[in-house]
Amino acid sequence: RKEVEQDPGPFNVPEGATVAFNCTYSNSASQSFFWYRQDCRKEPKLLMSVYSSGNEDGRFTAQLNRASQYISLLIRDSKLSDSATYLCVVNPRYNFNKFYFGSGTKLNVKP
Amino acid sequence: GAGVSQSPSNKVTEKGKDVELRCDPISGHTALYWYRQSLGQGLEFLIYFQGNSAPDKSGLPSDRFSAERTGGSVSTLTIQRTQQEDSAVYLCASSSEPSTGELFFGEGSRLTVL
Repeated sequence: RKEVEQDPGPFNVPEGATVAFNCTYSNSASQSFFWYRQDCRKEPKLLMSVYSSGNEDGRFTAQLNRASQYISLLIRDSKLSDSATYLCVVNPRYNFNKFYFGSGTKLNVKP
Repeated sequence: GAGVSQSPSNKVTEKGKDVELRCDPISGHTALYWYRQSLGQGLEFLIYFQGNSAPDKSGLPSDRFSAERTGGSVSTLTIQRTQQEDSAVYLCASSSEPSTGELFFGEGSRLTVL
């Protein structure tokens, strides 16, 4: 079983829509969680960390549900520039230097 | 620039040849990672360096793969006797503080094995 699983999408949404992605992780000992963004044929870049209490960064909200072992990313008022692949990343408690990446969820925001 | 630099950006090789991929991390970053990404797939962890030592090599897929890091800086990933299934983008990342979760990636080396 993969450490991190994501719906590959694509999610096709109009500008201004709200869209949410979920990601599940298999290891309950996972310590830290992150969302990365990867544009087409580019390198991944950190979008935001995910905190236990949930956190917001502008139009982006990240949530963690430890009981169900999933994290989510909500994008409000989506922009054309939000089109990218969003990677869920999990960091295990037993080795904080190791990062497991999901295969990503592709988002297409249409005019 | 001050980012992570990888070379070559593209490499086409014949099956059975050896290849070397180079990563020049951000100056001062002690943590260095190699991942590979096949088309439409997620990032597959290969190896992690802290300074010059590799405490975690668990992701190297076979003994044809090896990596080293010298001077706490540049790292080289070597693939011997390449196979077609080795075709992928090899991404290097560095970090000054992995606990923050912020890995800075290079643009990758795209390897195609014919």
